[in-house]
Amino acid sequence: QSALTQPASVSGSPGQSITMSCTGSSSDVGGYNYVSWYQQHPGKAPKLMIYDVTNRPSGVSDRFSGSKSGNTASLTISGLQAEDEADYYCSSLTASRTSPAVFGGGTKLTVL
Amino acid sequence: EVQLVESGGGLAQPGRSLRLTCVASGFTFDDSAMHWVRQVPGKGLEWVSGISWNGNNIGYADSVEGRFTISRDNAKNSLYLQMNSLGPEDTALYYCAKGYSGRYETAIFHYWGQGSLVTVSS
Repeated sequence: QSALTQPASVSGSPGQSITMSCTGSSSDVGGYNYVSWYQQHPGKAPKLMIYDVTNRPSGVSDRFSGSKSGNTASLTISGLQAEDEADYYCSSLTASRTSPAVFGGGTKLTVL
Repeated sequence: EVQLVESGGGLAQPGRSLRLTCVASGFTFDDSAMHWVRQVPGKGLEWVSGISWNGNNIGYADSVEGRFTISRDNAKNSLYLQMNSLGPEDTALYYCAKGYSGRYETAIFHYWGQGSLVTVSS
């Protein structure tokens, strides 16, 4: 199945809030409340930031929040900090019986 | 502390095989689904395969179905990926990832290893 669509890049200044999108279809993002977001710093493994659209794992800052409307999910980061600069990937459960996960192409967040 | 350590990557010729291993620690391995996710350097993430806590439910991406086999040994806290008929398109960093529940179908990747690089080239 096709990857989810994410903007290639977003940017913001320290202290600001940014929102990045993740667009799929009714067969994935729109059909399930199982969207996850991952942060990846250069040369590092991804880190789970949000799961089930809005939930934060223990230890993840409450500056990170998720939402969904129709076939588009969003990740909002408030109070931007320099260490938030990273690549962010969304993932969703899909309608496929045997291949349950699809990722977006990733968004590069630059903190100006 | 959760640790996932992959090994077994390296250079393979097209058509040959490799077996990846992931050794887990810091959590109850046999409570968790496990996954393999790959990433071409500089590119995005691709889910490869997942296995439920007891090994009874397994899934594969269409791109590897019939060539790759996932398995686990709960007594050894280990996850495996047997990769056969490798092609250049399989060149990637392969991550082992712990599922958020015992079912691989929920497809939430809670913790990740540092990855094992597989390069397929003649």
